[in-house]
Amino acid sequence: AQSVTQLDSQVPVFEEAPVELRCNYSSSVSVYLFWYVQYPNQGLQLLLKYLSGSTLVKGINGFEAEFNKSQTSFHLRKPSVHISDTAEYFCAVETVGRALTFGSGTRLQVQP
Amino acid sequence: DSGVTQTPKHLITATGQRVTLRCSPRSGDLSVYWYQQSLDQGLQFLIQYYNGEERAKGNILERFSAQQFPDLHSELNLSSLELGDSALYFCASSASGGAVADTQYFGPGTRLTVL
Repeated sequence: AQSVTQLDSQVPVFEEAPVELRCNYSSSVSVYLFWYVQYPNQGLQLLLKYLSGSTLVKGINGFEAEFNKSQTSFHLRKPSVHISDTAEYFCAVETVGRALTFGSGTRLQVQP
Repeated sequence: DSGVTQTPKHLITATGQRVTLRCSPRSGDLSVYWYQQSLDQGLQFLIQYYNGEERAKGNILERFSAQQFPDLHSELNLSSLELGDSALYFCASSASGGAVADTQYFGPGTRLTVL
């Protein structure tokens, strides 16, 4: 079975600082990995996804993630965050029937 | 706006009751997925339909059922409701049911409160 672990439940950071949100997965088969963002009182929005090829994936809003097969990780990064990036971020892996298995989420709190 | 609509936005009901949540996928999308988001269980996949047929099942209780209609909208039926069923229920849609890593577009959710 595939699973996803998000190591940090909350990440506080100051505006314009860099941030990394950590995600580790376990899978016995090829993986397709995703990062979604959930703004307060809204649904989830896809930030980026990894299928194959280049291990560095660029997404929307200046986010990027790096797939590391040896460390089974897919960490999300942004070089300089804004107040508007305050949200909950979910890492996910595609499972049976193309459904998604999500991690527990990381709440990013950007402070002025 | 993802193009996926869900109604109602909020639903308050009592234990033992039955409710129906409705989802309209993006225009042209054939797959509909239902997810439950709760504080203790996080985001969990419930069930997927593709072009009217059940495609995959996740952690869906026997008290819950779903269907996808010929016009591709979907309904999630929750019966014999318990306090623990209080959660945010999301619907997502994607263009196909078999393409690898097909992007899923999420609706705004229905917040169910069981009193």
